[in-house]
This record gives sequence, structure tokens and C-alpha cells, in this order.
Amino acid sequence: DGGITQSPKYLFRKEGQNVTLSCEQNLNHDAMYWYRQDPGQGLRLIYYSQIVNDFQKGDIAEGYSVSREKKESFPLTVTSAQKNPTAFYLCASSTLRQGRKGEQYFGPGTRLTVT
Amino acid sequence: AQSVAQPEDQVNVAEGNPLTVKCTYSVSGNPYLFWYVQYPNRGLQFLLKYITGDNLVKGSYGFEAEFNKSQTSFHLKKPSALVSDSALYFCAVRGPSNSGYALNFGKGTSLLVTP
Repeated sequence: DGGITQSPKYLFRKEGQNVTLSCEQNLNHDAMYWYRQDPGQGLRLIYYSQIVNDFQKGDIAEGYSVSREKKESFPLTVTSAQKNPTAFYLCASSTLRQGRKGEQYFGPGTRLTVT
Repeated sequence: AQSVAQPEDQVNVAEGNPLTVKCTYSVSGNPYLFWYVQYPNRGLQFLLKYITGDNLVKGSYGFEAEFNKSQTSFHLKKPSALVSDSALYFCAVRGPSNSGYALNFGKGTSLLVTP
């Protein structure tokens, strides 16, 4: 059963703590992405990676970090420097084959609540 | 910069009636456009895409979208709405290679289909 998994589905943390969100794909996709979703704001790009051991900042990378040690995995760490971390986080992946670039497949999301 | 706009926060339609969810785009060069649907507390599901070719694109669940270059629009349509179509719909445009082909999303349109 191919797809993207994210865990956990719900996550609660105290302010000042770092937290890591998991994202795994078995679609053999080269590119992976992290988006943040807030009500009424659509999705905003946090980080992306097109190849193992390389990743780039998106529009709202401050307070976040990522790693890409394996093609299948792209974990996101929300650090204590992120001023407003409570949000719904979505991971996506995409092939980079001609004609299919940008066609992203999304995981089920992780809802993070920081109090 | 590549961007899309969804002018309606919410669209209401009666079951069995045709539905339209609007999207306009602003891009440099040829647009690569997408529609996604999101059910509550779930990830986004791919509906359809326009890259090139026919202006009428058919997608999943009976949805289609009409690409109009002169009006820079890419409206989502369905001839006969179902109550189960009620969800949040996102229009997106693919970014350039120096953004990892990430998607730029509209703010979303909530579709409510009433029995």
C-alpha cells in the first residue's frame, strides 16, 4: 500500500520544547515538502528537499529545521524559536519526472498544539 | 511570482445542481495548475491538473476544470453536486525549479452542498 505517512496525528507540547514530526513515503519520490496550514490562510511552504542530504528553506522556515538522511524520510523539527507553532502540518512528496513535477501527494497531517 | 487567488471563501449549492469553484492565476510563462480537496482533519487529495493541451481537464470524482488563458482562470466544475462533495477546495500553481517546484496555494474555498 503506497503512500505518505505522518505521525503522530495529534501532538501536544509545552511552550519552549522542541518537537519532531515524522514523514515517511514509499512512493520512491525524489522531492519532499513541508507545509503549514492555518485557518483561512491556505498552505505555506516551510522547507523542501529534492535529493538526499540537501534541503532548502521555503517561505516561512524561521523556527523550523529538517533533515533528509534517507530518500523515504523527511522529519520536521519545530523549535522553541518558532513564535506561533500551533498549526496543522502537512508533508507532501512528488516525482521530478517530466510532466509530473508539482503533482504532489500529501500525508494525513499532524495537528500540533503548543500551550 | 506565481500565485493563485480564490475569490470566494464559501460556495453553497443544492444537491443535484451544478457547482463552480473559482480560481484565477498570475504567472510568468506557462502555468501549471492544480486542484486539491481536503476533508476535515485530513491531508489534501489531488483532483486534477492542467499542464498543456485541452482547456477542459477531467479529474477524479466527476470533477473537471476549465483553463481560460484570456481570463487567467482555472475554475473547478461539476455538473451535479453531491452532499459528499462538501469539503475545502484548494487551487494551486506550481513554482519554478528554484523553489523545488513547490506549489503556491490559494486560501481555499469551502464548498457546502445541501440536501
